[in-house]
Parts: sequence; structure tokens; C-alpha cells
Amino acid sequence: DVKVTQSSRYLVKRTGEKVFLECVQDMDHENMFWYRQDPGLGLRLIYFSYDVKMKEKGDIPEGYSVSREKKERFSLILESASTNQTSMYLCASSYGTTYNEQFFGPGTRLTVL
Amino acid sequence: AQKITQTQPGMFVQEKEAVTLDCTYDTSDPSYGLFWYKQPSSGEMIFLIYQGSYDQQNATEGRYSLNFQKARKSANLVISASQLGDSAMYFCAMSDSNYQLIWGAGTKLIIKP
Repeated sequence: DVKVTQSSRYLVKRTGEKVFLECVQDMDHENMFWYRQDPGLGLRLIYFSYDVKMKEKGDIPEGYSVSREKKERFSLILESASTNQTSMYLCASSYGTTYNEQFFGPGTRLTVL
Repeated sequence: AQKITQTQPGMFVQEKEAVTLDCTYDTSDPSYGLFWYKQPSSGEMIFLIYQGSYDQQNATEGRYSLNFQKARKSANLVISASQLGDSAMYFCAMSDSNYQLIWGAGTKLIIKP
């Protein structure tokens, strides 16, 4: 079974802190994604990566950066956390083309105080 | 612009009844894929079913089927013989040519005993 893991299920940080969210997948998938999920808005793509060291902006990249130094690991970085970044963050991975399903991690619920 | 619309924010259905969750999409790309995911209260996203734009037959996976009407740009999910465990958020998504999935806002389905 494909497994996507995220470093924390729940995280509480203070405004201005630098926050790292880590995602690891064990199925050698080329593509990895970071979403945020807010009620009524569905999932919104923050960044994605289709190869090591490659990254592409999604719909809402402002305030975020990403790092993919190894194929299995995709990190989301909040350089200076703000209260409007309080959300559920979901990581996903997929292989091959865009027509293949994405496999999701359990999510990280981040609260910024 | 590509868009997914789920017009039912919430639905109640009696156990063992069939339920249809609506999804309409908008794209000018002739090649696309349509996905349905389930998100229980625990938060993980579970892939349910996929339909390719060139597939002639409607996709089926166990109790799930996708009612694909290309001319109407609709991709409704049908769950037969609903069970209490089907209570969850359901998301419709569409793949584009840029590795991304475009997501609907979701429908919250509650199965009543």
C-alpha cells in the first residue's frame, strides 16, 4: 500500500514563527503536492513538485515556500506564520501523468496564535 | 477557466437508499480526468473512482458509480445501498494537463439510521 506520512497531526505556532511541515511518501512517486483545506473552499493547491529540486506554484503560494531535496520528501515552509495560515494542510503524491490518482497523507491541522 | 462545482453543501439520506452527489465541471481541454474522493471525519482523503474524458463506459467501483454525461459536463457520483460508514465529505476533482487537480468545495453526506 502507498503510504504518505506527515510529520505532525496537530501543530500550534505563534505569529511570526518559521514553520516546517514535512511529508514523506514511500512509493517512489514523482509528483508531490501541498494543499490547504478550509471549510467551504475545498482543497487549494499551494505548491507541487514533479521531480527532485523542481517546484511549481499552485493557486495560493504567497507566504509559503517548499523544498524537495529527495524524491520521497516534500517540505512546506511558512517563513513567518500568520493567523490567516491557520488551516488543515494536506500532502499528496502521485506517479506519472496527471490522470493518476493522488494519495494523501493524514493532514496537519495548524493553528497560528 | 477550469472549474468544478458541487452545488449540494450537505445531504441527508436514509440508510440503504441510493444517493447521487452532483458535480459539474468546466474545461476547454478535450482530455481530462474526473475523480471522486471521500474524506471521513478522521481527515484522510480516500480515492473512490476515476473517469477519463475518453472513456466510453461509466466507471464503477463496487457500490460507487460515476454517471458521466459529457455533453452536460456532469460527473455525478452514485452510491448504491448507502451505509452509515458512508457519512463523510465527498469531493469531486478534475485533472488538467499541468499535474494539478482542480477541486470542488465538497458535499457533506450524512446517512441516517
